[in-house]
Amino acid sequence: GDSVTQMEGPVTLSEEAFLTINCTYTATGYPSLFWYVQYPGEGLQLLLKATKADDKGSNKGFEATYRKETTSFHLEKGSVQVSDSAVYFCALSDPSGAGSYQLTFGKGTKLSVIP
Amino acid sequence: GAVVSQHPSWVICKSGTSVKIECRSLDFQATTMFWYRQFPKQSLMLMATSNEGSKATYEQGVEKDKFLINHASLTLSTLTVTSAHPEDSSFYICSAVGLAGADSYNEQFFGPGTRLTVL
Repeated sequence: GDSVTQMEGPVTLSEEAFLTINCTYTATGYPSLFWYVQYPGEGLQLLLKATKADDKGSNKGFEATYRKETTSFHLEKGSVQVSDSAVYFCALSDPSGAGSYQLTFGKGTKLSVIP
Repeated sequence: GAVVSQHPSWVICKSGTSVKIECRSLDFQATTMFWYRQFPKQSLMLMATSNEGSKATYEQGVEKDKFLINHASLTLSTLTVTSAHPEDSSFYICSAVGLAGADSYNEQFFGPGTRLTVL
């Protein structure tokens, strides 16, 4: 079945540091890939997505590139801010899977940015 | 666009009572809604898939008689936790997928979540 593996946290960085959160996946078809962010006490917000190989998703300074050859979708940001502190989830949606548009989530990575 | 709301945002109830949580797509019609449960510091666990006008599809291990789901319209799905017990305390999150052909198609939009505490 489909699965998503992302680096376990927590990750603690100083403000303006470079961020990488690794994410790899396994899927039977050609999935779409997503990064969601969850701020404390809130639901999930879509951060960025990519729907095919070599696509780069970007938003709010975050980027991730869909790498089919390495089955990866690593999240990066060049300079993090305190306001980026949140839990980040990598996810995939496999149209050939059992449920249309169902998302398979990674376990989440908690990021804490300190001033 | 593509806003999903949940009501209530938090609820505290006594053991043995039932609690209803609403999930609404505010500016789009959703053929499919999903219900998730999230335990502290853990990922989201899909509980069930709800399609408008038909019975929900529950994931393995989820009691359908305990977690009643009704998707009565293209903008509303409800989750009722029946005879709630302390172990049902959790964060419940819904999401919605828009109609084919719409901008919201093929993407899940998440509600803000409902914190349930059963005493």
